Amino acid sequence: GENVEQHPSTLSVQEGDSAVIKCTYSDSASNYFPWYKQELGKRPQLIIDIRSNVGEKKDQRIAVTLNKTAKHFSLHITETQPEDSAVYFCAAFLNTDKLIFGTGTRLQVFP
Amino acid sequence: EPEVTQTPSHQVTQMGQEVILRCVPISNHLYFYWYRQILGQKVEFLVSFYNNEISEKSEIFDDQFSVERPDGSNFTLKIRSTKLEDSAMYFCASRAGAPTGELFFGEGSRLTVL
Repeated sequence: GENVEQHPSTLSVQEGDSAVIKCTYSDSASNYFPWYKQELGKRPQLIIDIRSNVGEKKDQRIAVTLNKTAKHFSLHITETQPEDSAVYFCAAFLNTDKLIFGTGTRLQVFP
Repeated sequence: EPEVTQTPSHQVTQMGQEVILRCVPISNHLYFYWYRQILGQKVEFLVSFYNNEISEKSEIFDDQFSVERPDGSNFTLKIRSTKLEDSAMYFCASRAGAPTGELFFGEGSRLTVL
């Protein structure tokens, strides 16, 4: 089946703390896993992505890890700032030219 | 920087009316997509389009929906007879020719069906 599950649905952290969002996917043929940030009323914006031949990728305060065996991937945000507050979506690109989104995580960073 | 552009930004229509949402993908991109997002919910895949035909479509994309690339630049989504539950933000996206790669999203068209 084609399913991407995402947890938690909401996450509140204090400024400076880390935030972790986890996703699982069902299709073992999935080979590309982007993460999007969506601010209210705006389009999804790509913040980081990872391909299936890599286990980890980092870009400044953001990192993504991928466990292909377990079909898990996670987003890690360190030193969170209030401007990180948004809805974050994981996604998995299926072999069939279809990007399926997770259910979203509303992240709130309190100053 | 090239962008995916969508028109209209907001459309209000009566139930049963036809609606056409328009998109201009990035010019050298080959793969085109429509997604929809009901307020407060996740981004849902509708359809993918390549080489002038539909590659994939979801269960949402029933006979009321159609897509077209009428010329070399536009990519349209038509809803034949709108229903209240079609009210949502519709996002167009495109990507270049790599086997997998970043989807570039437009700013969206908000459809309100009364």
